[in-house]
Amino acid sequence: RKEVEQDPGPFNVPEGATVAFNCTYSNSASQSFFWYRQDCRKEPKLLMSVYSSGNEDGRFTAQLNRASQYISLLIRDSKLSDSATYLCAPGFQKLVFGTGTRLLVSP
Amino acid sequence: EPEVTQTPSHQVTQMGQEVILRCVPISNHLYFYWYRQILGQKVEFLVSFYNNEISEKSEIFDDQFSVERPDGSNFTLKIRSTKLEDSAMYFCASSEEQRTNQPQHFGDGTRLSIL
Repeated sequence: RKEVEQDPGPFNVPEGATVAFNCTYSNSASQSFFWYRQDCRKEPKLLMSVYSSGNEDGRFTAQLNRASQYISLLIRDSKLSDSATYLCAPGFQKLVFGTGTRLLVSP
Repeated sequence: EPEVTQTPSHQVTQMGQEVILRCVPISNHLYFYWYRQILGQKVEFLVSFYNNEISEKSEIFDDQFSVERPDGSNFTLKIRSTKLEDSAMYFCASSEEQRTNQPQHFGDGTRLSIL
């Protein structure tokens, strides 16, 4: 089983749509969880940390299910600028990235 | 907002040569990391560094690689005797602490092209 698995997509959605991504991880000892976004050929940029109780930051909601070892990201009211690859990253001393899920938001 | 800076943005080197990639982490951060991303592939961990020593390294980080913090601000990755397969984006990252949900912040990377 891969350390981190994500659906590569692409997810093609219209502006204003709600879209959700899931990510599963194999290391049950993972203590920290993050979502990063990566634009083409750019660095990963922190989108949000993921807390056990779930957390929200504006249009973005992250959930963690430790029992099932998956993390989710929900984006509401998608904007054109949300088009990017979304990287799930569990870890502690090192981050283990998935291949990412590509999101394309169209007008 | 403080940021991690990396130089150069693009490095072109002949196979077999040595390269040094430079990073200036965020000033109050204590933990430093190098990652790489081969074109079209995922971001991979190379090494973490704390208190002037390597705290963890991956299988990729073999004897060809070394890291150093030569002064109070720079953090460098040296690759000796470069190979074609070393061509990739190299990202430096730093974090303030190593505690739960303390995020790592990435520099904008150095694109290394080995000819």
